[in-house]
Amino acid sequence: DAKTTQPNSMESNEEEPVHLPCNHSTISGTDYIHWYRQLPSQGPEYVIHGLTSNVNNRMASLAIAEDRKSSTLILHRATLRDAAVYYCILRSNFGNEKLTFGTGTRLTIIP
Amino acid sequence: DAGVTQSPTHLIKTRGQQVTLRCSPKSGHDTVSWYQQALGQGPQFIFQYYEEEERQRGNFPDRFSGHQFPNYSSELNVNALLLGDSALYLCASSGETGTAVSYEQYFGPGTRLTVT
Repeated sequence: DAKTTQPNSMESNEEEPVHLPCNHSTISGTDYIHWYRQLPSQGPEYVIHGLTSNVNNRMASLAIAEDRKSSTLILHRATLRDAAVYYCILRSNFGNEKLTFGTGTRLTIIP
Repeated sequence: DAGVTQSPTHLIKTRGQQVTLRCSPKSGHDTVSWYQQALGQGPQFIFQYYEEEERQRGNFPDRFSGHQFPNYSSELNVNALLLGDSALYLCASSGETGTAVSYEQYFGPGTRLTVT
């Protein structure tokens, strides 16, 4: 499985934008970039995914580099509820493939 | 609409014992995956069930086995428990019945297993 590299931890002030980076230099052409987050004492939850183009949904935006070797998850206005571990995952486009989690980025929101 | 449910919430077992964990997928989902999450680590894939068959398996010993029932619910069985099996066990469901691809996995809250 292609691997991803994320910072172990990040801090951000409440109500400010947060940019969470992910490097995936060995990504293959069929890999989608998925982001999940895990709130304290909960299972992971899907945030967003993309292939080549930038993506937006109600939770976040995903910016993908032109060479696809890195991506950034953007939370436009962080709230205390966004404090979680964020996982960047590469996943084959064949659907229902397993998720290979790394250790993720622990995001702390400062009130 | 109930999401993914798991039972029990917590469980304490002794080394050498056997344990069964249960999972009910989100309504409309036909695929169930199981993950093990040790403290401070990301979840690790154990196996996935679809149409009552194990479709994919991660790097876990044969002590870990599973089953999927006709109603798509699933069980995870672990035999000969070791101290190192202490972890949060997560179930995830995916796949809308009748469609080809599902990109999103829905996770349950997990079962916390402690082996003493």
